[in-house]
Order: sequence, then C-alpha cells, then structure tokens
Amino acid sequence: GENVEQHPSTLSVQEGDSAVIKCTYSDSASNYFPWYKQELGKGPQLIIDIRSNVGEKKDQRIAVTLNKTAKHFSLHITETQPEDSAVYFCAASSGDNNDMRFGAGTRLTVKP
Amino acid sequence: ETGVTQSPTHLIKTRGQQVTLRCSSQSGHNTVSWYQQALGQGPQFIFQYYREEENGRGNFPPRFSGLQFPNYSSELNVNALELDDSALYLCASSLTSGVRGELFFGEGSRLTVL
Repeated sequence: GENVEQHPSTLSVQEGDSAVIKCTYSDSASNYFPWYKQELGKGPQLIIDIRSNVGEKKDQRIAVTLNKTAKHFSLHITETQPEDSAVYFCAASSGDNNDMRFGAGTRLTVKP
Repeated sequence: ETGVTQSPTHLIKTRGQQVTLRCSSQSGHNTVSWYQQALGQGPQFIFQYYREEENGRGNFPPRFSGLQFPNYSSELNVNALELDDSALYLCASSLTSGVRGELFFGEGSRLTVL
C-alpha cells in the first residue's frame, strides 16, 4: 500500500520568512495530493491540493509543487504569519478517498 | 466550520469495554470515512462507508466496525478496547460524485482507555 513520509517533523520560522514542508510517496498510482492544516483541538482542514496532471498550484501565500518522477511534493508558505502556526499534514490517494494516506505531520511555529 | 459534528468530544473507558462514537456528516455528503489519530501522528484510515455500505478498510481488526444511516449520521464501534486504542477518532464526510477529493473533518472524539 501507499506510504507517505513527511519532513521536517518540526519547523520554526520568523514571521515574514518562508516555510517549506516536503513529502514523498511510494505508490506511483497516486494521483491526488492534498495538504491539511490542523489547529489545536480541531480536525484537519484542507488548505490546498494538487492532482497529478499539474506540476504546481498556488493560492495566495500557499503553493504546492509536485514531482511525479521523483514521487515527492512540497508545501511552500511565503510571508508567514503567527496564525500559520499549526500542524500540517500531507496526504496521497490513488483513487477514491478510501485509500487516503497521511504523513506524520509537521508542527510549524511562526515566531512574531 | 465544516458542518461535521462528532460526539462525544472526550470519553474514558477501561480495557475490555466497548465504545460507540457518533458523527453527523455535512448535509448531502453520501460518504463518511473514519480515521484514528494517535498523539503526534497523522490520521490512519480505519474504513469508509458509502450509501450505508462499507467501501474500503484500512489495517484495523474486525473489532472496529461501523454503521452509516440514511440521515447523514454514522457510528464507529470498537469492541474489547485495548490501551493502544487511546487516540483521537476523526470522521470526515465527502462527496464521491463530481470533484473527488476534499474531506471535511469533524473535531474528533478523544478516547482514553485505562
């Protein structure tokens, strides 16, 4: 089955700096790659996703890149703000949501 | 707000007991997935229900079972609780038709097994 690895496990940046989180996956059939943000005491919330027919997607300060050949994808957050502090999860899926596999998470801290 | 609600938010059980967790999906969503999230880990897929039938299962034993009802509610049942079952249990609803992908998570039920 699919195996998703995520790093770093913790990331601390200064407000205004950029943050990058990287994930690798094992199943070449995976074609959907969402990123979720989980704040303390809440469930994960989708912030951006990318499908295998696209190499990059951007939404304001957030961007995701996908390298299918290398089987890795990354989340980029620019101009970080304290409210970006949370745990971020990457995930991969090859079909319906019944095979969605999550990474172990990255705890991002943005220092004011 | 995702429109997905779970109950109870917290509960404590002892080893060997049984537990039922409940979820109310977003209106119109015909699919519900359940995840187990251990402390410091990512969510692990337990199973998915589509139109009241199980539609995929992760690497969890049969003592984890579920039900989905026509009114967008669902249940996760765990029998013979073990200490390692202590975790946050998340349900997520989604639409399987149209654009595939987005899971709408509830805030979870935190289960502690003593």
